[in-house]
Amino acid sequence: AQSVTQLDSQVPVFEEAPVELRCNYSSSVSVYLFWYVQYPNQGLQLLLKYLSGSTLVKGINGFEAEFNKSQTSFHLRKPSVHISDTAEYFCAVTDSWGKLQFGAGTQVVVTP
Amino acid sequence: SQTIHQWPATLVQPVGSPLSLECTVEGTSNPNLYWYRQAAGRGLQLLFYSVGIGQISSEVPQNLSASRPQDRQFILSSKKLLLSDSGFYLCAWSVGGGRNQPQHFGDGTRLSIL
Repeated sequence: AQSVTQLDSQVPVFEEAPVELRCNYSSSVSVYLFWYVQYPNQGLQLLLKYLSGSTLVKGINGFEAEFNKSQTSFHLRKPSVHISDTAEYFCAVTDSWGKLQFGAGTQVVVTP
Repeated sequence: SQTIHQWPATLVQPVGSPLSLECTVEGTSNPNLYWYRQAAGRGLQLLFYSVGIGQISSEVPQNLSASRPQDRQFILSSKKLLLSDSGFYLCAWSVGGGRNQPQHFGDGTRLSIL
């Protein structure tokens, strides 16, 4: 069965500093991985996805993620965050039936 | 382009009252449809998913039910709400037929039970 572990429940970061959100997965089948962002009282918005090919995936809003098969990780990074990046971030993997398994989420709090 | 609509945005209901939340998708045909619940401080729990009209799969036993009367309409219902039904309900859709298709979410319904 597939599962996702987000290692940090909350990440405080100063504006213009870099941020990395960690995600590890377990899967018995080939994986498709996703990162979503949720702003307060809104739905989830797709940031980026890894389906195949290059292990470095670029997404919206300056985010990127690197798929590492040997470490079963899919960490999300941004070199310089803005106040507007304050949100909750979810890592997800599709299971063998095509349903998404979400991590518990990481709350990013950006302060000036 | 595809869009997904959920309503209402917020809802306050007394314990024991019925519930109907609606979700519609535009700009695509035969989507997979999903209902999630997000309780305060917790992740997303998949409640129901549907791969076609009248086809509903339930992920967890609960006080809720779902129906898909039309291809792009997904309804979440309850006959009698419980306090534990409070939460943020999200509808999502994806292109049918592939494991590599991302899900696209609506803006959610905040449900408070009094």
